[in-house]
Amino acid sequence: GAVVSQHPSWVICKSGTSVKIECRSLDFQATTMFWYRQFPKQSLMLMATSNEGSKATYEQGVEKDKFLINHASLTLSTLTVTSAHPEDSSFYICSATPAGGADTQYFGPGTRLTVL
Amino acid sequence: AQSVTQPDIHITVSEGASLELRCNYSYGATPYLFWYVQSPGQGLQLLLKYFSGDTLVQGIKGFEAEFKRSQSSFNLRKPSVHWSDAAEYFCAVAAPPGNTGKLIFGQGTTLQVKP
Repeated sequence: GAVVSQHPSWVICKSGTSVKIECRSLDFQATTMFWYRQFPKQSLMLMATSNEGSKATYEQGVEKDKFLINHASLTLSTLTVTSAHPEDSSFYICSATPAGGADTQYFGPGTRLTVL
Repeated sequence: AQSVTQPDIHITVSEGASLELRCNYSYGATPYLFWYVQSPGQGLQLLLKYFSGDTLVQGIKGFEAEFKRSQSSFNLRKPSVHWSDAAEYFCAVAAPPGNTGKLIFGQGTTLQVKP
């Protein structure tokens, strides 16, 4: 149980375009989802916290207009990288916390974004 | 500010040997502590967690970790490493405890297993 999926697993786009990444909890309802960014050989950095039906909370230094987060249902959160630039190339990972089980996050497999 | 340090960036052990991965945290109160493993193409998988109670925690895949408040440590151990254990290991702390939105990760330790 507690499976989180991400789609796509990898994406290549041109500079200036927007890319949407989906995060789904497959077998549980997630009141809260999180988005992380991981640079090569580095740790995960929390970008934002997404609560179903409300606006996302962004960490300091994360541009909310660049990284649009939508959590429209209890099983789906999306991250849209707008007007992507090469410096946005990274590994994006989402996680989800089951409703009523706020102690553990379950992670998706990640999405590799490459901006040319 | 809360922080997590994994002093060893890369560790190589022989298959069948014992393993200890170090983790030190900085937090004013008793934290919620986690160990995750990341394999290529897979999401982070929770190995074990400590919230309170017995300071020796058993996890999946034969891993265990011991919380030592006096040393602000939460080291991960395994008595006999298998080749499939080669992966990236992350220690994390939830700060404040109970608010799992604020997972702070260590830098990670890459484990290589020699045949």
